[in-house]
Amino acid sequence: AQSVTQPDIHITVSEGASLELRCNYSYGATPYLFWYVQSPGQGLQLLLKYFSGDTLVQGIKGFEAEFKRSQSSFNLRKPSVHWSDAAEYFCAVSKERGADGLTFGKGTHLIIQP
Amino acid sequence: EPEVTQTPSHQVTQMGQEVILRCVPISNHLYFYWYRQILGQKVEFLVSFYNNEISEKSEIFDDQFSVERPDGSNFTLKIRSTKLEDSAMYFCASSPIREQFFGPGTRLTVL
Repeated sequence: AQSVTQPDIHITVSEGASLELRCNYSYGATPYLFWYVQSPGQGLQLLLKYFSGDTLVQGIKGFEAEFKRSQSSFNLRKPSVHWSDAAEYFCAVSKERGADGLTFGKGTHLIIQP
Repeated sequence: EPEVTQTPSHQVTQMGQEVILRCVPISNHLYFYWYRQILGQKVEFLVSFYNNEISEKSEIFDDQFSVERPDGSNFTLKIRSTKLEDSAMYFCASSPIREQFFGPGTRLTVL
């Protein structure tokens, strides 16, 4: 069965600084990878996805992520964070493109310092 | 932009009661899902639904749970006899085939 590890429960970053959120997955075949963001009291919004091809994917709100098969990682990055980026970030993996349920990591809570 | 909607936003019920959570997926999407998130924990997959039948279900989705697409627009999750541990946020999602789009959730509180 697939699994997702987000090793950082909380991360604090100063506004304007760069950000990297870590995600490692475990799956025997080529995974389909996602990053979602959840603001307090809100649902999950898709930031970006990786299915195949270029290993560096661009998403909404200035986020990007890089798939590294050798490291089983799919880390999320942003060059300069804004206070509105404070939220919970979830990495997820699925076996097929939309046919199967997503397996989520436990999430990383991002705190932005002024 | 089309969105997944869910009703109610908050449901309070007594232990042992039946609840039905409702979702309206994005029209022309083919796959439908339910997830739950217990407070402070990760989002967990419950069930997926395709072509009017369950496609996949997790260990959490036992006989107390059922799903239905009663008409062309609604997708429901029924919990027959709620337990205290069913208290959670329940998310509906739909997908055309690739990425899943989530609704805002229904917070279920079982007393």
